[in-house]
Amino acid sequence: QKEVEQDPGPLSVPEGAIVSLNCTYSNSAFQYFMWYRQYSRKGPELLMYTYSSGNKEDGRFTAQVDKSSKYISLFIRDSQPSDSATYLCAMSANAGGTSYGKLTFGQGTILTVHP
Amino acid sequence: KAGVTQTPRYLIKTRGQQVTLSCSPISGHRSVSWYQQTPGQGLQFLFEYFSETQRNKGNFPGRFSGRQFSNSRSEMNVSTLELGDSALYLCASSLEGHRAFFGQGTRLTVV
Repeated sequence: QKEVEQDPGPLSVPEGAIVSLNCTYSNSAFQYFMWYRQYSRKGPELLMYTYSSGNKEDGRFTAQVDKSSKYISLFIRDSQPSDSATYLCAMSANAGGTSYGKLTFGQGTILTVHP
Repeated sequence: KAGVTQTPRYLIKTRGQQVTLSCSPISGHRSVSWYQQTPGQGLQFLFEYFSETQRNKGNFPGRFSGRQFSNSRSEMNVSTLELGDSALYLCASSLEGHRAFFGQGTRLTVV
């Protein structure tokens, strides 16, 4: 079983819809949670960064972390065609030991927002 | 602020050859990590360097190696290339090792 599980989709929604993307994980040492967006043939772009549990909002994006359930979510409100991309969740543990600089990624969810 | 710069963007190599990829991190970032991205395996961690020292290493064979220079720039080397090494190689820089910013990647094709 992978440390981080993410539904690969693909997910297709109409413009203006609310999108919900999710990841589950098994490693209770994960403390830092990130969402990246990756367009075709480009590097991943950091969208959201959260430490420990809670919610974080940035414009149309909201990230939620529930450490008790080992579950994280990304919500996109008023989705736009320009949001069409692959969304990757990533996690890391506190620095130290074998955790330095290592992000563990989900498989990515392919999202298409059609006009 | 300039982002993470990777060179070259594309490479075609023959089996058995070796290759060196370069990464310039964001100014002030001392942590540089390398990842391999393939359709089947997704993004997998190769190794991380901080202040010229390798702090962490993923589960890749010894053919994959790296180094970091005093200006934080990093290079990754793959020796004795195999067809399965064809992938997008991504470099990420960060201040502390987890909030990472990625470059555009180097797409390596081994023929």
